[in-house]
Amino acid sequence: GNSVTQMEGPVTLSEEAFLTINCTYTATGYPSLFWYVQYPGEGLQLLLKATKADDKGSNKGFEATYRKETTSFHLEKGSVQVSDSAVYFCARSRVDTGRRALTFGSGTRLQVQP
Amino acid sequence: DTAVSQTPKYLVTQMGNDKSIKCEQNLGHDTMYWYKQDSKKFLKIMFSYNNKELIINETVPNRFSPKSPDKAHLNLHINSLELGDSAVYFCASSQDGVTGETQYFGPGTRLLVL
Repeated sequence: GNSVTQMEGPVTLSEEAFLTINCTYTATGYPSLFWYVQYPGEGLQLLLKATKADDKGSNKGFEATYRKETTSFHLEKGSVQVSDSAVYFCARSRVDTGRRALTFGSGTRLQVQP
Repeated sequence: DTAVSQTPKYLVTQMGNDKSIKCEQNLGHDTMYWYKQDSKKFLKIMFSYNNKELIINETVPNRFSPKSPDKAHLNLHINSLELGDSAVYFCASSQDGVTGETQYFGPGTRLLVL
């Protein structure tokens, strides 16, 4: 299948805390993996991506490593800010559609308190 | 310059009506998508077009009909609207629709069926 499972939220952290949002995917094929972020009232924006095993995507202090052995793509940030409050979606490309279209996880809401 | 734009941003209508949502991208991309985000923030692909040709048609009621007059536009027409159609509809585009590509999302159309 093409499913993606990510931890349920909301995740509530204090500013400067360490963030981990877990994401695992089904191992069908060789997908590309993505993290998208949705700020309140806006559309989705790509945060980072990785296209093959052991690749690390990084952007704005966020990182995620494509782990084929554990079929995971966990999102981490060393020190979160209030402005990071948003909903984070893990996604994988779908191999059944020529890799077109994405399958998304259910989203994890992050709330960062000052 | 907005890369992917959608109109309208909000749409409130009565059950049984017919409505259209429009999407335009000025990125020169070949592939466009419609996603539906339900009240629990779960995102699911509905349709995808590549160079005006339908390539993905998920299990969507045939009351939903996409139309791509050219590769920069992908519109969504919905007949006989039902309460369950209330959701946020996102348009997206990508260069060729192959693996690893970033998809660029529009701001969403918030549809409420009363």
